[in-house]
Amino acid sequence: RKEVEQDPGPFNVPEGATVAFNCTYSNSASQSFFWYRQDCRKEPKLLMSVYSSGNEDGRFTAQLNRASQYISLLIRDSKLSDSATYLCVVTPFLRGSTLGRLYFGRGTQLTVWP
Amino acid sequence: DGGITQSPKYLFRKEGQNVTLSCEQNLNHDAMYWYRQDPGQGLRLIYYSQIVNDFQKGDIAEGYSVSREKKESFPLTVTSAQKNPTAFYLCASSPQPTYEQYFGPGTRLTVT
Repeated sequence: RKEVEQDPGPFNVPEGATVAFNCTYSNSASQSFFWYRQDCRKEPKLLMSVYSSGNEDGRFTAQLNRASQYISLLIRDSKLSDSATYLCVVTPFLRGSTLGRLYFGRGTQLTVWP
Repeated sequence: DGGITQSPKYLFRKEGQNVTLSCEQNLNHDAMYWYRQDPGQGLRLIYYSQIVNDFQKGDIAEGYSVSREKKESFPLTVTSAQKNPTAFYLCASSPQPTYEQYFGPGTRLTVT
């Protein structure tokens, strides 16, 4: 079973729409969670960390549901520039652990159209 | 400017040749990583290093080798033993293991 599973999409939404992505993880001991954004043929870039209490950064809201083992990313008022692939990232290791590595999902593709 | 650099951006090699991809960071990060990404696929971890002179195999280490002689440098060698070397190679670093990672711009390797 994969550590991280994501719906690959594609999600095609009009400008101004609200769109949500979910991501499930298999290891209940997972400690840290992130969302990354990857534009076509570019490197992934950190979008936001996901905290237990949920967190918001402008139009982006990330939430964690430990009981159901999923994290979500909500994008409000979508812009054309939001078109990208969104990668869900988790790790079961404590921050600084010598075993440390991250597990990346395959990504969810979003296209925002005018 | 602090960041991660990878060179070259595009690399072409003939089958049977070894090739070394460069990765340098001036962020003073302890941990560094190499990933491979194929079209439409996710990132797959090749090797990672949490400290100088130490590194661990990731999920797809066969046919690759690395060294970590300096904190800021983590070169990856793609050997002739790697069956399908054509891919997008990404290097990343993080302040400490398991912290958020920051990526270089990547190297696109084509082997014919």
